Amino acid sequence: GNSVTQMEGPVTLSEEAFLTINCTYTATGYPSLFWYVQYPGEGLQLLLKATKADDKGSNKGFEATYRKETTSFHLEKGSVQVSDSAVYFCALSDGGFQKLVFGTGTRLLVSP
Amino acid sequence: DTAVSQTPKYLVTQMGNDKSIKCEQNLGHDTMYWYKQDSKKFLKIMFSYNNKELIINETVPNRFSPKSPDKAHLNLHINSLELGDSAVYFCASSLGGPKTGELFFGEGSRLTVL
Repeated sequence: GNSVTQMEGPVTLSEEAFLTINCTYTATGYPSLFWYVQYPGEGLQLLLKATKADDKGSNKGFEATYRKETTSFHLEKGSVQVSDSAVYFCALSDGGFQKLVFGTGTRLLVSP
Repeated sequence: DTAVSQTPKYLVTQMGNDKSIKCEQNLGHDTMYWYKQDSKKFLKIMFSYNNKELIINETVPNRFSPKSPDKAHLNLHINSLELGDSAVYFCASSLGGPKTGELFFGEGSRLTVL
């Protein structure tokens, strides 16, 4: 079935460091890909998305490119802030069954 | 005004009890979901409703019964609670399915079964 694999965390960085969180997927057809973020004590919120190959999603300095050839959707940010500390979830939409399949989440900890 | 609201936020109960979690969205969305997040933060879909009709039932024990009285509400009732039911339950909604529509999540309901 469809699945998403994310790098295990936690990822610990100093403020202003470069961030990469890896995400690869297995899917039939052409899913849409998403990154969601969960701040402590809150629900998930959409960070960015890409709906077809080579699309780049971006928001709040984060970006990810839909790479069909490597089945990847890695999340990057050039300079992280303490306020970026959260759990980040990669997800794909299983269009046929109308559901989002999530990865296991990667916790990011940014220190001043 | 909270877009997707769940009640209660915290629920502590004994094994064998029956409990309900309520969810309401004021976004005018037509699709609602229940997700379960375990202690390792793994998120798994349980149910999905579109316009009050069940469209996804993801091999959840039949102790869990969702009910959608209208398209703005999706409640979750759990019978005979077990220790393994302890988790955070998230309600979400979207306009159309997730492929095109962003999911909006509630803040979660943390269920602890003792």
